[in-house]
Amino acid sequence: TQLLEQSPQFLSIQEGENLTVYCNSSSVFSSLQWYRQEPGEGPVLLVTVVTGGEVKKLKRLTFQFGDARKDSSLHITAAQPGDTGLYLCAGAKTGNQFYFGTGTSLTVIP
Amino acid sequence: EAGVVQSPRYKIIEKKQPVAFWCNPISGHNTLYWYRQNLGQGPELLIRYENEEAVDDSQLPKDRFSAERLKGVDSTLKIQPAELGDSAVYLCASSSYLAGETQYFGPGTRLLVL
Repeated sequence: TQLLEQSPQFLSIQEGENLTVYCNSSSVFSSLQWYRQEPGEGPVLLVTVVTGGEVKKLKRLTFQFGDARKDSSLHITAAQPGDTGLYLCAGAKTGNQFYFGTGTSLTVIP
Repeated sequence: EAGVVQSPRYKIIEKKQPVAFWCNPISGHNTLYWYRQNLGQGPELLIRYENEEAVDDSQLPKDRFSAERLKGVDSTLKIQPAELGDSAVYLCASSSYLAGETQYFGPGTRLLVL
């Protein structure tokens, strides 16, 4: 059962554009992770956010954890073709339980 | 430090045949996960181990799927008999309380059932 809904499911944009991916749930999580997965590989961790309202920045990527720790967003500034991939959020509950989102497939066109 | 190792990377079988996947987690990681992932979707948990104990197997189709983690290190996931709908990527991940709430994934095994 996937507790986390991501939107949009698919996104195709031109290089240089900005985008935001949303990860929503009615459940509270102790932390939330964002992963990027490229074809033929396993998901690779981008960031973990722990505190409600927390904002983390990694170069052109900005991650935010909702105040109630039920939702999160990923914003990419000036997208590049190398950002292409499947973006996954995953919420953690105590006891090493993780619940993955439905995924957002991003294509950045040169 | 070596990452999560999975084998084989690819497997093509005919329906009704058995298949097995192997996973070796990161050294020292006590928690091991098996996920199934369909194309373009998020992974779905099949089973979670804490050391050698399966603590969450509620999503494992027990009529045809089985898993084991003897000695609490590497693990095997088996399907017998395989069905067409089992075609997917099977991902293994591991984590440790000491490493925080972070999973580390292997590259996955891509299964195609014909």
